[in-house]
Amino acid sequence: GAVVSQHPSRVICKSGTSVKIECRSLDFQATTMFWYRQFPKQSLMLMATSNEGSKATYEQGVEKDKFLINHASLTLSTLTVTSAHPEDSSFYICSARADRGSYNEQFFGPGTRLTVL
Amino acid sequence: AQSVTQLDSQVPVFEEAPVELRCNYSSSVSVYLFWYVQYPNQGLQLLLKYLSGSTLVKGINGFEAEFNKSQTSFHLRKPSVHISDTAEYFCAVSDLGSGNTGKLIFGQGTTLQVKP
Repeated sequence: GAVVSQHPSRVICKSGTSVKIECRSLDFQATTMFWYRQFPKQSLMLMATSNEGSKATYEQGVEKDKFLINHASLTLSTLTVTSAHPEDSSFYICSARADRGSYNEQFFGPGTRLTVL
Repeated sequence: AQSVTQLDSQVPVFEEAPVELRCNYSSSVSVYLFWYVQYPNQGLQLLLKYLSGSTLVKGINGFEAEFNKSQTSFHLRKPSVHISDTAEYFCAVSDLGSGNTGKLIFGQGTTLQVKP
């Protein structure tokens, strides 16, 4: 149990286009999901907290108009990178927080490799 | 605000030798502590976590970690490593304070390189 999927696993796009990445909790409900960005050989940086049915909470320095987050159901959050540029190329990882027990563990997706040409 | 420092960016070790990956944290409130492993081009897998209770925590793949509140440390150890343990390891902290969102703050990561 507690599986999180991401789609696509890899995407290559042209500069100026938009890319949507999906994060799904396959066997549990998650009112909260998180989006992280990871540059090569670096740690995960939290971009935003996605809350089902409400607006996402963005970390300082993350442009909310560029990284659009939608959490329309208890099992799906999407991250759309708008007007992508080469500097947006990165590994994007989502996690879903399981709504159970006194501690709500996060489960991570396998990541999406975005390359912007 | 919390922060996590992993003191070693790379740790080379020979197969079957013991290893310790160091992690120190800073927080003004009580925290949960975690160690995750990441294999190339993959997401994160939880190795172990400290929530409360016994300060010695055992995890998967033979790893264990000890929570030391006075030294604000949560070092990861394994008595005998395998080639398959070669990966990136991340220490993370999450606060328990009011309004806790479960947000994780990660350390910089330590690359464990197991040599034959």
